[in-house]
Amino acid sequence: RKEVEQDPGPFNVPEGATVAFNCTYSNSASQSFFWYRQDCRKEPKLLMSVYSSGNEDGRFTAQLNRASQYISLLIRDSKLSDSATYLCVVTRWNRDDKIIFGKGTRLHILP
Amino acid sequence: NAGVTQTPKFQVLKTGQSMTLQCAQDMNHNSMYWYRQDPGMGLRLIYYSASEGTTDKGEVPNGYNVSRLNKREFSLRLESAAPSQTSVYFCASSDRAPLGNEQFFGPGTRLTVL
Repeated sequence: RKEVEQDPGPFNVPEGATVAFNCTYSNSASQSFFWYRQDCRKEPKLLMSVYSSGNEDGRFTAQLNRASQYISLLIRDSKLSDSATYLCVVTRWNRDDKIIFGKGTRLHILP
Repeated sequence: NAGVTQTPKFQVLKTGQSMTLQCAQDMNHNSMYWYRQDPGMGLRLIYYSASEGTTDKGEVPNGYNVSRLNKREFSLRLESAAPSQTSVYFCASSDRAPLGNEQFFGPGTRLTVL
């Protein structure tokens, strides 16, 4: 089983719709979780850190479920500019240092 | 503030040639990283430097060497390039904890090894 898994998509979603995708991780010792966004042929940029209590930033909501070992990203009222690849990132350190990027989920927002 | 800069943007090498990818950051970050991104593979960590003077191997260090020249600069060297090293290389930096914090990425170097 891969350490971090994401549905590669693509998710084709009409503008204004709500879309959600998950990322599962296999190592329960994982400590920090992030969602990054990557536009075509560009560098990744941090979208959100993910906290146990869940966090929201405008139209974006991220959740962490440690019991089931997954994180989620919800995008409400999607915009054309949300079209990108969304990368899940899982890290742990102090003994077994690891930073694992998921392969990404491609999202296409349709006009 | 330029953030993280990388040179060159593009490079074509022949098998066996060597080259150094340069990375610099102006955010006074302690930690710096080198990744490669291949189609269908996601980003994989090659080496990282938690602070000036230290470097550690990541997931795929074979065939690469790094130098943390000072707090600002972190270079990646390919001593004898192989076609399997054709990839997009990203440098990144972060402050505070080495792996638990937001990373800022450079624009990438697209390397082709023939």
